[in-house]
Amino acid sequence: QVQLVQSGAEVKKPGASVKVSCKASGYTFTSYYMHWVRQAPGQGLEWMGIINPSGGSTSYAQKFQGRVTMTRDTSTSTVYMELSSLRSEDTAVYYCASYGIAAAYAFDIWGQGTMVTVSS
Amino acid sequence: QSALTQPASVSGSPGQSITISCTGTSSDVGSYNLVSWYQQHPGKAPKLMIYEGSKRPSGVSNRFSGSKSGNTASLTISGLQAEDEADYYCCSYAGSSTVFGTGTKVTVL
Repeated sequence: QVQLVQSGAEVKKPGASVKVSCKASGYTFTSYYMHWVRQAPGQGLEWMGIINPSGGSTSYAQKFQGRVTMTRDTSTSTVYMELSSLRSEDTAVYYCASYGIAAAYAFDIWGQGTMVTVSS
Repeated sequence: QSALTQPASVSGSPGQSITISCTGTSSDVGSYNLVSWYQQHPGKAPKLMIYEGSKRPSGVSNRFSGSKSGNTASLTISGLQAEDEADYYCCSYAGSSTVFGTGTKVTVL
């Protein structure tokens, strides 16, 4: 079945970087874009950016420009999201979500989420 | 890109119908018929309920329906059930980006 499995929870200090992985299975990895969305505790969903697993091109939300990098490894069907210069406000659950596998222009499959805690 | 505006909370009794609004601008909701809606229970990942404004993915109850008028999209839940109690988020394609709504907590009385 189609699924996205993310890496485990992380605890980081302010100023550090974090890299979260998202391994896809059950579909052709390079055929569908992947997005990253985060959710701070008690807050709403926030779009971070998108990566094309085929060519590796990316587009990031303006808020994260310069701090986020999304990459992919086609040999393992895995996408990565790295966020640098972490601050306490980056404490959140980070989700990867596939785009358009079963529903056009929509996040139809979600990873289980990765909790990132930024604390000194 | 500013978040789409949703009411903070909506409530209804079992069996009733409720509607959640999602107001954007002519740069997002108004320009594209690409609004999607997500249901999120506490501690869980969001689940797609409606895409392309009014289409339901396989497996989603037909009690959920979507529509759009101008810059405002709406999600209607008919025959409200206890399991519908959750947070709901709208989302719109916006050209070079994607924007979510502020979220609505649905309470079943």
